Amino acid sequence: QVTLRESGPALVKPTQTLTLTCTFSGFSLSTSGMCVSWIRQPPGKALEWLARIDWDGDKYYSTSLKTRLTISKDTSRNQVVLTMTNMDPVDTSTYYCARTYDSSGYYCRDAFDIWGQGTMVTVSS
Amino acid sequence: DIQMTQSPSTLSAFVGDRVTITCRASQSISTWLAWYQQKPGKAPKLLIYKASSLESGVPSRFSGSGSGTEFTLTISSLQPDDFTTYYCQQYNTSPWTFGQGTKVEIK
Repeated sequence: QVTLRESGPALVKPTQTLTLTCTFSGFSLSTSGMCVSWIRQPPGKALEWLARIDWDGDKYYSTSLKTRLTISKDTSRNQVVLTMTNMDPVDTSTYYCARTYDSSGYYCRDAFDIWGQGTMVTVSS
Repeated sequence: DIQMTQSPSTLSAFVGDRVTITCRASQSISTWLAWYQQKPGKAPKLLIYKASSLESGVPSRFSGSGSGTEFTLTISSLQPDDFTTYYCQQYNTSPWTFGQGTKVEIK
């Protein structure tokens, strides 16, 4: 069974750095075509894709947030970590991690088939 | 970045109605499009991938079509469980992008 679970602080102060961890099971991020993304959703608003890391270590970021984001993976621990610097109240959101598996093994071009439950992060002093 | 525009933003319908949600891309994305259903307080759930492929376990009343820049999600006969929010997402080009969502309400 494939599962993902997000963890991290529920509350951060403005200007602080947020670190979120996605711990997954049921698949390996060393498998060709496997990728993990982070997506967020402010309360009552739409989904926003943030970043992705692929099985081969390639990384991709949101255009508007790329200067603040870093994504990394620890394949042996089945974890993907997202850091976001200089947090602001507008970053208050539920943060999700989600898996993509492209069975071609060459790309990461497929939908998010499995999502974590999400973790709510509030930015406030 | 590729912009995804969904219409309508809100849709009111009766149980049993056939409804269609449209998603337009700002440039061609071939058929690299997914549809998700999201219920309040829950993570999105994949319904359709590659524009028209039904995800395993999803009821057959859901269907998707389109290619290039225009796509549709159709629910053939709305059930009480279907009154919630739907999102499209393109995965043709990074950064991947979502539509703004369509809320399906009970009339």
